[in-house]
Amino acid sequence: QKEVEQDPGPLSVPEGAIVSLNCTYSNSAFQYFMWYRQYSRKGPELLMYTYSSGNKEDGRFTAQVDKSSKYISLFIRDSQPSDSATYLCAMRNNQGGKLIFGQGTELSVKP
Amino acid sequence: GAVVSQHPSWVICKSGTSVKIECRSLDFQATTMFWYRQFPKQSLMLMATSNEGSKATYEQGVEKDKFLINHASLTLSTLTVTSAHPEDSSFYICSARLTADTQYFGPGTRLTVL
Repeated sequence: QKEVEQDPGPLSVPEGAIVSLNCTYSNSAFQYFMWYRQYSRKGPELLMYTYSSGNKEDGRFTAQVDKSSKYISLFIRDSQPSDSATYLCAMRNNQGGKLIFGQGTELSVKP
Repeated sequence: GAVVSQHPSWVICKSGTSVKIECRSLDFQATTMFWYRQFPKQSLMLMATSNEGSKATYEQGVEKDKFLINHASLTLSTLTVTSAHPEDSSFYICSARLTADTQYFGPGTRLTVL
């Protein structure tokens, strides 16, 4: 079993839709949770960073962490074609620990 | 935000040759840099952790004699793929640690070995 599971998609939505991206994990020691956006043939870009459980909002993006269920989510409101990319969840157990990535979900937002 | 560059952005080489990829932190110093490999539609897999002035730490299953890492300065780490073979063809991405909490990724280098 992989430490981090993420549905690879692809996920296609119309412009303006609310997008929900999710990851599950097996290691209860994970404390730091991140979402990265990766455009084709580019390096990942940090979108959201959350410590422990709870919600964090930044503009159209909301990250949720439910440690009891070992489940994290990224919501994108009012999705735009420019949001079309692969979204990777990542997590680690301490500040200096190794980042473990999910497989990435490919998102396409259609105009 | 902090900027990390990689050079080259893509390279094609013949089987058996060696290829060097550079990773630079342009506006900050990074004592720690990371090298990842990403196959198509797959996640980033950490290959090694590069520490300035010391030997790199390699992940299990990564051949250190094949993937040579040098972190000679606080802004530069290099990855050399020695005696490259077609199965080494991949997208190689580096990242540089700015703080204990954050690391910034380079744009990646696409390696194709013929």
